[in-house]
Amino acid sequence: QQQVKQSPQSLIVQKGGIPIINCAYENTAFDYFPWYQQFPGKGPALLIAIRPDVSEKKEGRFTISFNKSAKQFSLHIMDSQPGDSATYFCAARRDNTGKLIFGQGTTLQVKP
Amino acid sequence: EPEVTQTPSHQVTQMGQEVILRCVPISNHLYFYWYRQILGQKVEFLVSFYNNEISEKSEIFDDQFSVERPDGSNFTLKIRSTKLEDSAMYFCASRGRRTGNTGELFFGEGSRLTVL
Repeated sequence: QQQVKQSPQSLIVQKGGIPIINCAYENTAFDYFPWYQQFPGKGPALLIAIRPDVSEKKEGRFTISFNKSAKQFSLHIMDSQPGDSATYFCAARRDNTGKLIFGQGTTLQVKP
Repeated sequence: EPEVTQTPSHQVTQMGQEVILRCVPISNHLYFYWYRQILGQKVEFLVSFYNNEISEKSEIFDDQFSVERPDGSNFTLKIRSTKLEDSAMYFCASRGRRTGNTGELFFGEGSRLTVL
């Protein structure tokens, strides 16, 4: 019930492509769903986050789509750039705590 | 921009030795966390700390682990007797009472622990 399942494990796209990373959760008590970006040797950095009362959130080139009934959410990166090459983690949290449950991560490579 | 700082960036130790990983959270934050990431795997929650006591801990955080906020700025993770499987990147994170409306966690760059 505490798991967050993320796919795919890795993804390669051409510059300008739109990589999509998917996550699914089971615990309906989760109320906050962030995406983190991690570069090698660095800590995770918050990219964008959504709450279950909205179905979509956009910040710049990054969009989260949220399907509450299916308990799924996804990250779309528009006009992807080589600088977006990183590992992306979805996560979920409940009750305004700091205890994040992370997905397994997706390694994205954007080819020039 | 305020940031969470961690030391050391890399520590190599022998199995059975004690290690202390140090963190300086963002100065006005109230909630502190340790997470770990075994190489190639996901980030896992270890412990949360608020008001000078542990508020939640995972099953990973057994009696070999302890946390402390010895003064107003540092937050430490101690592993009493390290095991090979403790080799991982350890991330400190902190959170203010509210950050915007999301309660965002800010992570440090991590301390890599290698147990030989």
